[in-house]
Amino acid sequence: DAGVIQSPRHEVTEMGQEVTLRCKPISGHNSLFWYRQTMMRGLELLIYFNNNVPIDDSGMPEDRFSAKMPNASFSTLKIQPSEPRDSAVYFCAITGTGNTEAFFGQGTRLTVV
Amino acid sequence: AQSVAQPEDQVNVAEGNPLTVKCTYSVSGNPYLFWYVQYPNRGLQFLLKYITGDNLVKGSYGFEAEFNKSQTSFHLKKPSALVSDSALYFCAVRETGANNLFFGTGTRLTVIP
Repeated sequence: DAGVIQSPRHEVTEMGQEVTLRCKPISGHNSLFWYRQTMMRGLELLIYFNNNVPIDDSGMPEDRFSAKMPNASFSTLKIQPSEPRDSAVYFCAITGTGNTEAFFGQGTRLTVV
Repeated sequence: AQSVAQPEDQVNVAEGNPLTVKCTYSVSGNPYLFWYVQYPNRGLQFLLKYITGDNLVKGSYGFEAEFNKSQTSFHLKKPSALVSDSALYFCAVRETGANNLFFGTGTRLTVIP
């Protein structure tokens, strides 16, 4: 967990509000992933970046979701406007090149009421 | 297309007995295979990986996994289960040369005292 810092750890917001989740990875990686975990759907890949460039965002559920990676040390996932069905735990993960394993942050638990 | 299947949502085993958590995969090329464990309110933690070489891979906390190419399987095993092994286990696959990591739906392991 120490290699990826996610903030906030918990977020409670009202429906319609904008939510921004943050991820600060350690250096030395070249890929960054955003996942969403729910009881119903399990662990879903939302988007991933390679060398700060978005490669595959086919998992992003709707236009309400957007992600950015302005530099190698920071990424955001934004939901605007948020809806109750967005309630989930959102994970950020990083990998190095080739056969290296992924390192996950501790996640952000989002509750939209 | 890459995919991972974990056919069992739940596995129960008595403490001290051997445990197996099943995983099968599908990739078009050579796979890199991973197992992760998730404890409550935590991110996923890396357990072990198969890249190449010996089909039997040993990892953290006494876990091991066997790569079987003909059966496209990578089952997780431990000779003697501990109550503290109770957690959610995820199998993941990455195709050689690709960056994205595909996860199975997870298997909840419960070790009964």
